[in-house]
Amino acid sequence: EAGVAQSPRYKIIEKRQSVAFWCNPISGHATLYWYQQILGQGPKLLIQFQNNGVVDDSQLPKDRFSAERLKGVDSTLKIQPAKLEDSAVYLCASSSGGRQETQYFGPGTRLLVL
Amino acid sequence: GQQLNQSPQSMFIQEGEDVSMNCTSSSIFNTWLWYKQDPGEGPVLLIALYKAGELTSNGRLTAQFGITRKDSFLNISASIPSDVGIYFCAGQLNAGGTSYGKLTFGQGTILTVHP
Repeated sequence: EAGVAQSPRYKIIEKRQSVAFWCNPISGHATLYWYQQILGQGPKLLIQFQNNGVVDDSQLPKDRFSAERLKGVDSTLKIQPAKLEDSAVYLCASSSGGRQETQYFGPGTRLLVL
Repeated sequence: GQQLNQSPQSMFIQEGEDVSMNCTSSSIFNTWLWYKQDPGEGPVLLIALYKAGELTSNGRLTAQFGITRKDSFLNISASIPSDVGIYFCAGQLNAGGTSYGKLTFGQGTILTVHP
């Protein structure tokens, strides 16, 4: 079974530029999550999708961050414009749902904002 | 929001030694999970605990879900060099609605094993 795929793996941009990340979840997984992991910290949930609907985006900085999952499969996360403090690893995870669901994480995209 | 305090922040041990780390929360979780993260990779699930008081093993790993539902610990016995990495605890509320599925992570414990 293929795991969660993410691209790009690394991205370096200047502040005020835009950037987009892509995630392809495990086939058949209805739930998709985007986490932000700042160096030295644990991942923090940004947004959760159930199929193509948003379940929780309470911690997403909506003035600059946006995410979509139009067909209920792949997802993109965008930052526009980026700030220095956005430098982090952006992790995508997926799960099949249910109480004892297991979230499977992708390798992450490492973003450096200069 | 919910906060998880994980300790210790880092550990330096000799191969063969046992390791213990724990996590405490200011509020209740219905599920406790322990993940390991290797450099350049995403977290990988080690053990999941679904019931207060539950003690679960996975090979050399043992974890417990605290009776109060506000804490958990992870033990690694007879450590080996490949145990090196960052270990995270995570709590999940599973209360339905917008809390369903959301993981709250601890700050991580960096484990170094000397051969």
